[in-house]
Amino acid sequence: DAEITQSPRHKITETGRQVTLACHQTWNHNNMFWYRQDLGHGLRLIHYSYGVHDTNKGEVSDGYSVSRSNTEDLPLTLESAASSQTSVYFCASSESTGGVAEAFFGQGTRLTVV
Amino acid sequence: GDSVTQMEGPVTLSEEAFLTINCTYTATGYPSLFWYVQYPGEGLQLLLKATKADDKGSNKGFEATYRKETTSFHLEKGSVQVSDSAVYFCALKNPDYKLSFGAGTTVTVRA
Repeated sequence: DAEITQSPRHKITETGRQVTLACHQTWNHNNMFWYRQDLGHGLRLIHYSYGVHDTNKGEVSDGYSVSRSNTEDLPLTLESAASSQTSVYFCASSESTGGVAEAFFGQGTRLTVV
Repeated sequence: GDSVTQMEGPVTLSEEAFLTINCTYTATGYPSLFWYVQYPGEGLQLLLKATKADDKGSNKGFEATYRKETTSFHLEKGSVQVSDSAVYFCALKNPDYKLSFGAGTTVTVRA
């Protein structure tokens, strides 16, 4: 079965360190997204990609970067981790055929910056 | 820009009670609307969706109707179970495939 997986599931890091969260999907979807989930804010879009070598900033992109070298993967990098980036991160993918293509979500990565 | 406002809760109910979670949206054009559910420790799963005005999405006893005139997509279930305890998110999808989410509503159902 196709799926979308994130790793690690939990991560503790120190302030100032670079951290990369992995996202891998086997749906062969063109669209991939990174969200962060914080109490009271729902999910907020960090970065997204419509295909290989395409990346775009979302509403809360400061301090984050992504790269898309193939269809399956969209790693999220925190350049210099800050305590404000302690959150739960979700990766999602969807088709790009228009219509009501639903988004499929990974299990999430809980990141703690100390 | 596009946005979603939903009742934040938390909501605590007894089994077999009626559940309503209000959701309203602001968007240009005619977005698709969704309800996602997040069970403890898991990612988000699509619960139901609607693509145009007056469409009714339904799944697992939950229903929501796309009301263009009131820009609403309220979620309802007639008789909840303990297994319905979760966080529920209302979301809209704009033409460039991005989802905008509400803040989420935590629902706890007591036996």
